[in-house]
Amino acid sequence: NAGVTQTPKFQVLKTGQSMTLQCAQDMNHEYMSWYRQDPGMGLRLIHYSVGAGITDQGEVPNGYNVSRSTTEDFPLRLLSAAPSQTSVYFCASSSPEGNTEAFFGQGTRLTVV
Amino acid sequence: DAKTTQPNSMESNEEEPVHLPCNHSTISGTDYIHWYRQLPSQGPEYVIHGLTSNVNNRMASLAIAEDRKSSTLILHRATLRDAAVYYCILRRGHNNDMRFGAGTRLTVKP
Repeated sequence: NAGVTQTPKFQVLKTGQSMTLQCAQDMNHEYMSWYRQDPGMGLRLIHYSVGAGITDQGEVPNGYNVSRSTTEDFPLRLLSAAPSQTSVYFCASSSPEGNTEAFFGQGTRLTVV
Repeated sequence: DAKTTQPNSMESNEEEPVHLPCNHSTISGTDYIHWYRQLPSQGPEYVIHGLTSNVNNRMASLAIAEDRKSSTLILHRATLRDAAVYYCILRRGHNNDMRFGAGTRLTVKP
């Protein structure tokens, strides 16, 4: 059972570069989300999606874009990386009902120099 | 969005019970109370959730106050592996996001 798979696990970017963090789930979950976690802090919601073609902003959306063309995939794009985006990024998926368990990926550790 | 308040840190001795509190005084009727934990260098993992009644599973128990303004996660016998950050989160009934607070860092002493 793969669950939620994030790639890459580690990435170093130069300021101004762009990249896409990949997230895929094999549980047919409608709800997917992206979080960032800075050292010693809790997770902050970046963007989320309640189904293919539907996305919405979370707490800290600036500097990030998302799209949801399939149920399985929810990529996160950094258009022009900044040092302030150095963080660990987590992807999660679940059924949309509030009484269901969310599953998290193992994270992508991103460093912007 | 309804907020939760948790102590920043707690300590426990190995093999003793641990009670982790959470206040959520602005909870609405459709909010489920979820608990997740995050082990070092890992993504969060689900622990337990409930709506009104107390809940038990193989990992923990969840005690919910009658007015639902607070809840307590109970680890019956803490082990060293239970050392983690525990998050109490409210999740609305349908198609709503999950927002994390700072959580409680649990230290388990041998």
